[in-house]
Amino acid sequence: KQEVTQIPAALSVPEGENLVLNCSFTDSAIYNLQWFRQDPGKGLTSLLLIQSSQREQTSGRLNASLDKSSGRSTLYIAASQPGDSATYLCAVTSYGKLTFGQGTILTVHP
Amino acid sequence: DTEVTQTPKHLVMGMTNKKSLKCEQHMGHRAMYWYKQKAKKPPELMFVYSYEKLSINESVPSRFSPECPNSSLLNLHLHALQPEDSALYLCASSRSTGDAYEQYFGPGTRLTVT
Repeated sequence: KQEVTQIPAALSVPEGENLVLNCSFTDSAIYNLQWFRQDPGKGLTSLLLIQSSQREQTSGRLNASLDKSSGRSTLYIAASQPGDSATYLCAVTSYGKLTFGQGTILTVHP
Repeated sequence: DTEVTQTPKHLVMGMTNKKSLKCEQHMGHRAMYWYKQKAKKPPELMFVYSYEKLSINESVPSRFSPECPNSSLLNLHLHALQPEDSALYLCASSRSTGDAYEQYFGPGTRLTVT
């Protein structure tokens, strides 16, 4: 059974810092990995999708990497802003299902 | 347009009521999903529809009844729910159930069972 773990569970940083969110998964037989953002009480917004054959994806200030063999992914956020405050969820697709981590609650204070 | 819409946004129902949640997408996606999300927890898969046919039921109680009338529309019929069923219900869609495809999520319906 696929298990996804995210570290840290919560992170509080001052505005402007660069930060890294970590995700690990137990079964390397994945097809892709997605990073999502969720604001309180809202739906999920897809940030980045990395196919299993890819090593990284970039979108604006976000960069996600994937090391499938070691079962790890990182989400790098450059020059963080208060508007980045949200819960960030990592999810892997394997055996036809999307399995989520518990999320990292990010707070960026001015 | 990468939008998945869900109605209603909020729903309060008693344990004897019958209600329905609606999800719609116009991206031509042929796979649609229902997830349940409790507070401070990640989403949990409930059902998967592929080409309007139910392909996965994650052992969901029969008081939840999904329906896919056409390729753009997904419903979740609710009957005799319990207070512990209160949660955010999320709908998602993808091009197909092939593992490589990105899932797009709707804003969710906040359900409260009294």
